[in-house]
Amino acid sequence: QSALTQPPSVSGSPGQSVTISCSGTSSDVGSYNRVSWYQQPPGTAPKLMIYDVSNRPSGVPDRFSGSKSGNTASLTISGLQAEDEGDYYCSSYTSTTFVFGGGTKLTVL
Amino acid sequence: EEQLVESGGGLVKPGGSLRLSCAASGFTFSSFNMNWVRQAPGGGLEWVSSLSTTSTYINYADAVKGRFTISRDNAKNSLYLQMDTLRAEDTGVYYCVRGRGATPPYYMDVWGKGTTVTVSS
Repeated sequence: QSALTQPPSVSGSPGQSVTISCSGTSSDVGSYNRVSWYQQPPGTAPKLMIYDVSNRPSGVPDRFSGSKSGNTASLTISGLQAEDEGDYYCSSYTSTTFVFGGGTKLTVL
Repeated sequence: EEQLVESGGGLVKPGGSLRLSCAASGFTFSSFNMNWVRQAPGGGLEWVSSLSTTSTYINYADAVKGRFTISRDNAKNSLYLQMDTLRAEDTGVYYCVRGRGATPPYYMDVWGKGTTVTVSS
């Protein structure tokens, strides 16, 4: 049940785009189109941003998009805004477990 | 409004026990798989356990298998986590989370605010 691999931090200026990668294996990310992404602003509970690789729940801005290629998934945030700051976690379903990435801290400069 | 409210956290000595509860409201609790996710201080998210709608399917992370027991009472719209033989590394915030799709879930769409568990002598 190894964690998925994410960069510890990313940053960008308002209006720019940033991409957060999430590297897994052929047993998790590579085998299932069940990657989800969660945003966690400081001191709050996580919030679902993307599910099933590229689907957005109601209420999530279309500035947030997800994709996957092989064993690596990605979250792209375009038109960066100050309110996007926080920690972002990817996750993947497997048939027996649910695994998270280590988290990426997004700083809006 | 769909809501999950955890309770039962606190300070416990290593080797001790604690029972967490989660009260659901605003949705049909019995129709959804449920989960516990924890977060160590300054750390990332860690899936702990999943439970299907009728308690038929249960999964645990290796780190808690044999020590934690997940359960639910659909009549009371409640989810529970019995935590025994607690260790220092079990310290953290425990979130009650609604799952979608399967057990374990494909993804988790409603999160509680969490309850804090501290294991220390």
